Amino acid sequence: AQSVTQLDSHVSVSEGTPVLLRCNYSSSYSPSLFWYVQHPNKGLQLLLKYTSAATLVKGINGFEAEFKKSETSFHLTKPSAHMSDAAEYFCVVSENGGSNYKLTFGKGTLLTVNP
Amino acid sequence: DSGVTQTPKHLITATGQRVTLRCSPRSGDLSVYWYQQSLDQGLQFLIQYYNGEERAKGNILERFSAQQFPDLHSELNLSSLELGDSALYFCASSQGNRGLYGYTFGSGTRLTVV
Repeated sequence: AQSVTQLDSHVSVSEGTPVLLRCNYSSSYSPSLFWYVQHPNKGLQLLLKYTSAATLVKGINGFEAEFKKSETSFHLTKPSAHMSDAAEYFCVVSENGGSNYKLTFGKGTLLTVNP
Repeated sequence: DSGVTQTPKHLITATGQRVTLRCSPRSGDLSVYWYQQSLDQGLQFLIQYYNGEERAKGNILERFSAQQFPDLHSELNLSSLELGDSALYFCASSQGNRGLYGYTFGSGTRLTVV
């Protein structure tokens, strides 16, 4: 079985400072990992994905994430926060090789960006 | 526009009623997934269809059912509605049957049961 734990339900940063959203996962097989972002009253947008290629993954809007198998982590970072980054972020795991066809979502981290 | 179309965007209905939510996947995608997002449960996977066949079931209630039609659009039917069914219902699509490269989500249908 697969699971995802987002370690912070709410992160607050100042504009221009770094962003770190933490995610740990568990998976019985080689996982694919994703980060999705949801702006208020909008659908979910794919930020980036890891699918067993390079462990450092670059996404849209300056975000990146590093897959660390030894730590079972897939933390999302951005060097400098922008006001438009304020949203809810979901870490997601999908198992490869098993019979599990669904994505499992974390509970989300709400990012607040202060001026 | 993600390419996944969900209708209606908003729905208000009374308890005990039945509603149908519709989803058209992105062109070329064969899989459709339904998710429910509520404040207390977060994002919950309901069900997946691939090329017309049910592929996986998640936390879907017996009062709920879905199907995927030959043109690949999907409908989620919710019956005997309860207040607790109020939520945002998302549809997502992917090309394959495992979502290996991620899903494309629609903008959701907000269901309010009164």
